[in-house]
Amino acid sequence: KQEVTQIPAALSVPEGENLVLNCSFTDSAIYNLQWFRQDPGKGLTSLLLIQSSQREQTSGRLNASLDKSSGRSTLYIAASQPGDSATYLCAVRVTGGGNKLTFGTGTQLKVEL
Amino acid sequence: GAGVSQSPRYKVAKRGQDVALRCDPISGHVSLFWYQQALGQGPEFLTYFQNEAQLDKSGLPSDRFFAERPEGSVSTLKIQRTQQEDSAVYLCASSLARTTGNTIYFGEGSWLTVV
Repeated sequence: KQEVTQIPAALSVPEGENLVLNCSFTDSAIYNLQWFRQDPGKGLTSLLLIQSSQREQTSGRLNASLDKSSGRSTLYIAASQPGDSATYLCAVRVTGGGNKLTFGTGTQLKVEL
Repeated sequence: GAGVSQSPRYKVAKRGQDVALRCDPISGHVSLFWYQQALGQGPEFLTYFQNEAQLDKSGLPSDRFFAERPEGSVSTLKIQRTQQEDSAVYLCASSLARTTGNTIYFGEGSWLTVV
């Protein structure tokens, strides 16, 4: 059974700092990996989608990398801002597992002024 | 509407009561998903529809949970004889394509509290 772990569970940083969020998964036979953002009381917003054949994806200040063989992904946030404060979730779609996503428990990020 | 719409946003149910949660996906989206998110946890898959066909219901925790999408658009998740452990946020999501290789859009969720 695929298990997804995110470290750290919570993170507090000063504004302007670059930071890295980590995601690991136990089954490397994945179709793709996604990073989502969840604001309190809200649904999830897809940030980046990395196909299994890709190594990284970039969108603005966000960069996500994928190392499928080691079962790891990182989300890099450059020059963090208070508006980046949210919970960040990674999710994998397992090859042959249908269309469902398996989520980690998330990293709660707070960017302070 | 522009996004995935869910109703009710908040529901308090007495233990043993039946509840129905509604999801309006983005117009034209083929795929529809239901997830359950307990406090402090990531979402857990419940079920998946492709148009009106329920292709995967492996995540439904018990036979008290039932989902339908009879006309391939609006979906309803029904929970019978609610228990306290059913308290969670129920998230609906949709995507245009048959696979999740495309962007998936989530609603804001229906917050269920069973007392």
